[in-house]
Amino acid sequence: TQLLEQSPQFLSIQEGENLTVYCNSSSVFSSLQWYRQEPGEGPVLLVTVVTGGEVKKLKRLTFQFGDARKDSSLHITAAQPGDTGLYLCAGDLGSSNTGKLIFGQGTTLQVKP
Amino acid sequence: EAGVAQSPRYKIIEKRQSVAFWCNPISGHATLYWYQQILGQGPKLLIQFQNNGVVDDSQLPKDRFSAERLKGVDSTLKIQPAKLEDSAVYLCASSPQGFRKLFFGSGTQLSVL
Repeated sequence: TQLLEQSPQFLSIQEGENLTVYCNSSSVFSSLQWYRQEPGEGPVLLVTVVTGGEVKKLKRLTFQFGDARKDSSLHITAAQPGDTGLYLCAGDLGSSNTGKLIFGQGTTLQVKP
Repeated sequence: EAGVAQSPRYKIIEKRQSVAFWCNPISGHATLYWYQQILGQGPKLLIQFQNNGVVDDSQLPKDRFSAERLKGVDSTLKIQPAKLEDSAVYLCASSPQGFRKLFFGSGTQLSVL
C-alpha cells in the first residue's frame, strides 16, 4: 500500500507547456517536501511546506500544501528541457518535523525542446 | 561545503554473496539515513540514526541487512546474503539535528545477478 500517491507517474510535454503534479494521502503530515532527482544522482530538495493552505513559489514552480495537510501539488509554468527529471514528494509523519520522511513513487517528467 | 560521500558508486555481485556500502555524511550532521530506491519507485527508508543511536529500523530486513554508525560519523550498510530483489540504488542522506532538510549522496547502484 502506497502511503503517498503521486500522479501522473509519467509526463512527456513540449517546451513552453504548463503542468501539474499531484501528491495525495489519507494521512496528515507535519510537513511535506518536494525533491527533484536526476539520473545517477540523489534527490535534491526544492521546497518544504509546513502550514495547511501554504503556497510557495520558486521561479516557475508553484507548490501548494492542502488545507488539511494531506495533499500537495507542484505546478510548473512554461516548462523547459532543464526541468526534466524525477519529481518526488515526501511527507513527514513524525511530530515537530522529526525528519522521518515517506516518499511517493515519483513523477518522471520529460520536457522536449 | 563537502556533500554526502558514498562508495562504491556501482557494485555487481552474484546472489548469496555479501556486499557493504559506505557513507560519510556532511560534517556536523547528527542524523543519517539509508534509503533503498528500486527502479521506478521512490526511496524507502531502511534505517535512521541520530548520532550513533538507531531511531528507526522498522523497514530494515534484519535477517540479511545490518548497519552501523560507529562514533556517530560515517556509516556502513551491509547485505549478507544478497538476493535478486536487493538490486536497487542505496542512498545515504544526512541532516542537521532538529532540521528537516535532507542532503543526499549520489548513491550506490547494486546489481545482484
